[in-house]
Amino acid sequence: DTAVSQTPKYLVTQMGNDKSIKCEQNLGHDTMYWYKQDSKKFLKIMFSYNNKELIINETVPNRFSPKSPDKAHLNLHINSLELGDSAVYFCASSHQRGYEQYFGPGTRLTVT
Amino acid sequence: AQRVTQPEKLLSVFKGAPVELKCNYSYSGSPELFWYVQYSRQRLQLLLRHISRESIKGFTADLNKGETSFHLKKPFAQEEDSAMYYCALRSDTGRRALTFGSGTRLQVQP
Repeated sequence: DTAVSQTPKYLVTQMGNDKSIKCEQNLGHDTMYWYKQDSKKFLKIMFSYNNKELIINETVPNRFSPKSPDKAHLNLHINSLELGDSAVYFCASSHQRGYEQYFGPGTRLTVT
Repeated sequence: AQRVTQPEKLLSVFKGAPVELKCNYSYSGSPELFWYVQYSRQRLQLLLRHISRESIKGFTADLNKGETSFHLKKPFAQEEDSAMYYCALRSDTGRRALTFGSGTRLQVQP
């Protein structure tokens, strides 16, 4: 039973395209996150949703738009992809008052 | 603003040697500190947190508020400890997202 799943695992696309990454958790958590891990392995928060409401929106380009259709899902849509968007994107979830975040396996995005 | 610093990108030790992965933080309130680990081809997972004061897989970490540090230690490294280790901080108010350090790759050689 996968706790936090992401699709796809790998995504190779060309500059200028629009793509989406999906995340689902079956842990009953009410808070979900998107993190970006760059080529130097540095992890940085991008967005966080609590009960479908956006609570953290870090300084990321407007081309990135998260969407949470329900508490168990948090998708990330990226418009007009650029070379610099190449990274591994991690989804995570937790209880709002909990201390542990559970991470998905990551989606490796390569923009050519 | 909160910040986590891991000064070493790579730490290479021999099996059986002691290990110390350094982590320093800056935060004005009372932070929660964590160590997360990412083994090869596995997802990021929680290793330990300062509140629990427990030892996981032989690792311990003590929060030193005076030095604003949360170093991860293990007296005798094992080859299976080879992984990427991230120190992370969460503020005591408001946002619950983690601020990560840049990570340290631990290589334990036979």
